[in-house]
Amino acid sequence: GQNIDQPTEMTATEGAIVQINCTYQTSGFNGLFWYQQHAGEAPTFLSYNVLDGLEEKGRFSSFLSRSKGYSYLLLKELQMKDSASYLCAVRDENTDKLIFGTGTRLQVFP
Amino acid sequence: EPEVTQTPSHQVTQMGQEVILRCVPISNHLYFYWYRQILGQKVEFLVSFYNNEISEKSEIFDDQFSVERPDGSNFTLKIRSTKLEDSAMYFCASSDRGQAPLHFGNGTRLTVT
Repeated sequence: GQNIDQPTEMTATEGAIVQINCTYQTSGFNGLFWYQQHAGEAPTFLSYNVLDGLEEKGRFSSFLSRSKGYSYLLLKELQMKDSASYLCAVRDENTDKLIFGTGTRLQVFP
Repeated sequence: EPEVTQTPSHQVTQMGQEVILRCVPISNHLYFYWYRQILGQKVEFLVSFYNNEISEKSEIFDDQFSVERPDGSNFTLKIRSTKLEDSAMYFCASSDRGQAPLHFGNGTRLTVT
């Protein structure tokens, strides 16, 4: 079966660092993606991990451990505009479809 | 930056009517997808399309759904006889290769009354 778990909601303060975790159990694995989605808008691609380790992209970093079925998205120097939902998605091994988690709604306060 | 465009942004229809949702993927992309998101729920895969045929479809994508690439630029999703539970945001996405990140359009909000 396919199961992707992430916290439903998180809050943080402007300028702080926040880590959003994602665990997955899928029948196959061919990469993990993080997307940002503002309310009523399209998901926007943030990062992609296929090998273990950390991928850094400006204020955003993503980590993957395939043996643990675990990833996190790290957001540094939080800004108010970072208030959004963050979607963890796993690509199935045998197809090219993405399986999404329910998303983590992050609220950044001043 | 090139983007996926979808029309209309909002479609209201009566139950039982047919709707066609339109998408123009990024021009050099070869893989096309439809996803949907019911309000407050997760993004769900509907169908993937490559080389002028469906490569995979989900259980949601039943006989009421069809996709078409009628020309070199458009990619459409048709729902033949809409049901109340089809109300959702429908996202089109494309990628330039099978393992690449998907780029999503801004979506069409479908409301079935």
